[in-house]
Parts: sequence; structure tokens; C-alpha cells
Amino acid sequence: GDSVTQTEGPVTLSEGTSLTVNCSYETKQYPTLFWYVQYPGEGPQLLFKVPKANEKGSSRGFEATYNKEATSFHLQKASVQESDSAVYYCALRSGGSNAKLTFGKGTKLSVKS
Amino acid sequence: ETAVFQTPNYHVTQVGNEVSFNCKQTLGHDTMYWYKQDSKKLLKIMFSYNNKQLIVNETVPRRFSPQSSDKAHLNLRIKSVEPEDSAVYLCASSRDWVQDTQYFGPGTRLLVL
Repeated sequence: GDSVTQTEGPVTLSEGTSLTVNCSYETKQYPTLFWYVQYPGEGPQLLFKVPKANEKGSSRGFEATYNKEATSFHLQKASVQESDSAVYYCALRSGGSNAKLTFGKGTKLSVKS
Repeated sequence: ETAVFQTPNYHVTQVGNEVSFNCKQTLGHDTMYWYKQDSKKLLKIMFSYNNKQLIVNETVPRRFSPQSSDKAHLNLRIKSVEPEDSAVYLCASSRDWVQDTQYFGPGTRLLVL
């Protein structure tokens, strides 16, 4: 079946430093890849998604490139802020009639001022 | 703006009791989901409904049962709760069974004493 492996948290950074959260996936289909973010007390919300290999998604200063050869979708941000403190989930939806999202275990990010 | 609503926010109960959680979406979506999020933030799909029809039923204990009166509502009932049921239960919706972006509610936190 499908699987997603991401950086194990928690991750603690100082404001202004750069962030990389690694994400690797396994599937036999052609997936759409997602990053979701969950702020404290809220449900997960879509950060961005990328349906095609070799394309990049971005939102709120975060970006990730769908690397089909390396089966990776690493999340990056050049300069984090305290407001970025949240749990980040990498997820995939494989092609075909199965609309199930497969989530990674989540990476908790804490940004200190 | 919240478009997936869940009640209650928080519920405390004793082992063996029955609980019921409500979810309503105002997005006009056809497909709804229930997820369980444990204390380590791990997200697991429990059920998926498309237009009031159950389409995915992951391996969950039989004491869990989803109920859908129309495509905008999907409730979750737990008969005879157990301590391991303590978690956050997240409801989500998507436009249809093929559409991959899911929109989550804020969750219902259950504590079983």
C-alpha cells in the first residue's frame, strides 16, 4: 500500500532561520502530493498540493518540489516566523478511484523568537 | 472562515458510555470523512461517505458507527467507549470522491476516564 515518511519531530528553530522537513513516499500509482498544516486547536488545512511530477508548489513562503525520481516532496522555507509554529503533514493521494489520503506522521515545528 | 462544523468541541465520559459526535459541512460537498488523531498527532482515516453511501470503512472496532442523514451531515457514534478511544476526532469533506482536496473541521476532543 501507499506510505509517507517525514522528518520526525519535534523541530525547534529560531525566528529567521531556514526550515526543511523531509518527506518521502511510496506508491505504485501516480500520486498527487500535499502539504497540510495544523495550527493549535484547529483542524489540518491545505498548504498546497502538486499533482504533477517535477512541478513546485508554494504558499505563505513555503515550497516543495515533486521529485518523482527521488520519490520526495521536501518542504522548505527560507526564514521561519513564530506564527509558523504548527504541525506539518505530508500526504499523498494515489491515482485511480481511490480518493483516500495517506498522511505522514506529522512534524511539529516550534519557532522561538 | 469555518465551513466544516463539529460539535461538541470537547467531551469527557466514563468507560462503557455511548457518545455521539456531529459534523456538518456547508461547502456543498458530496464526500465526507472521519479521522482519528491520537496524542502523537498521528492521523488515521476511519470512514468515508460519498453522497450518504459508505465507501470506505477502515479497520476500526465495531463499536464505532458512522451515520449520515444527508450529504451535508456525517455523525459518529461510539458505543461503549474504551480508554484507547481518547483522541481528537476530525471530520473532513471534499467536493466529490475524485476531488482530492479535503477540508477539515476543528475536531472533537474525547477524553475517556
